[in-house]
Amino acid sequence: DAKTTQPNSMESNEEEPVHLPCNHSTISGTDYIHWYRQLPSQGPEYVIHGLTSNVNNRMASLAIAEDRKSSTLILHRATLRDAAVYYCILRSNNAGNMLTFGGGTRLMVKP
Amino acid sequence: DTGVSQNPRHKITKRGQNVTFRCDPISEHNRLYWYRQTLGQGPEFLTYFQNEAQLEKSRLLSDRFSAERPKGSFSTLEIQRTEQGDSAMYLCASSLHTGPNYYEQYFGPGTRLTVT
Repeated sequence: DAKTTQPNSMESNEEEPVHLPCNHSTISGTDYIHWYRQLPSQGPEYVIHGLTSNVNNRMASLAIAEDRKSSTLILHRATLRDAAVYYCILRSNNAGNMLTFGGGTRLMVKP
Repeated sequence: DTGVSQNPRHKITKRGQNVTFRCDPISEHNRLYWYRQTLGQGPEFLTYFQNEAQLEKSRLLSDRFSAERPKGSFSTLEIQRTEQGDSAMYLCASSLHTGPNYYEQYFGPGTRLTVT
């Protein structure tokens, strides 16, 4: 599986935008970029995914570099409830939908 | 609540004992996944089912581990002769897979296993 690299932790102020980076220089053409997050004492939850184009949904935006070797998850206005570990995951379309998680980025939100 | 449920939420067992966990997926979800998560790490894939068929098993799933989904609904994960290294959070997820597109996985709260 292609690997991703994320900062171990990031800090943000409440109500400010947050940009969570992810590097995936060995991404292949059929790999989708997924983001899940895990709130304290809960299972992971889906945030967003994309292939080549930028994506928006009610939770976040995903900006994908033109060469697809990096991507950024954007939370437009961080709230205290967004404090979580954010996982950037590459998923091959042939991988049976299983997810290979890395270490993720722990986002801390300050009031 | 119609989310994924897992029982028990916590299990403490002595080394060498067998344990069984249960996962009830979201109704009508045809895919069910098991992951294991140790402290400070991301979840690791163990196995998944499509309906009652077990389609893939990770190399992490040793012979002491067995998973079933007999009627394509709930699933059980059994660990025989538990070892201290089995201590972890065991997560279950489900998804509705009906075509080539990606369908997000919904995770349960997990079962935390402590082997003493």
